[in-house]
Amino acid sequence: GESVGLHLPTLSVQEGDNSIINCAYSNSASDYFIWYKQESGKGPQFIIDIRSNMDKRQGQRVTVLLNKTVKHLSLQIAATQPGDSAVYFCAENIGGGGADGLTFGKGTHLIIQP
Amino acid sequence: GAGVSQSPSNKVTEKGKDVELRCDPISGHTALYWYRQSLGQGLEFLIYFQGNSAPDKSGLPSDRFSAERTGGSVSTLTIQRTQQEDSAVYLCASSSGIQEKLFFGSGTQLSVL
Repeated sequence: GESVGLHLPTLSVQEGDNSIINCAYSNSASDYFIWYKQESGKGPQFIIDIRSNMDKRQGQRVTVLLNKTVKHLSLQIAATQPGDSAVYFCAENIGGGGADGLTFGKGTHLIIQP
Repeated sequence: GAGVSQSPSNKVTEKGKDVELRCDPISGHTALYWYRQSLGQGLEFLIYFQGNSAPDKSGLPSDRFSAERTGGSVSTLTIQRTQQEDSAVYLCASSSGIQEKLFFGSGTQLSVL
């Protein structure tokens, strides 16, 4: 079965608000996590990654939080903009490298309300 | 090139025909992946190439699917005797090594009529 999942398939937020997208994983051996953004008609685009020796990592308007105790990963987007509308995927790597070490979640569709 | 390039961007074919999808990875990237994405779904792993090692074909759904990577660069995914259930977006990605982020192409939208 799939070891990476998302709590909500769709998330609707008001423009300007902060967005929080959640991801749960079940494999405690996972040591590398990635968030991707996929806009309609395009391939997934890398947003931010985090390794298991960190709890938090910040990028431009985005923050990824990793809670290894409860095996939970989240992506926070500050001041959400219309261009943030997309499907967001989390992915985990269990350290083996290669395709069998990388598992993608099903994705959360982020909808921005004007 | 600057990014992963896939061609064609769209392919419409008749059931039973063979199709070839091409992927040009980022120059220097040793790892190359093929994924399939059905409408509104996540990414389904198909096949993985790493350097000169034998490819990991564990995700290929049937023996109608095959892929090769020539010279450690360009890859071709071939689907023989296409079926309607093969209709999907086929995504290619490359990376510079283990536990490095994947860079995706824009995909090939395959429609089997």
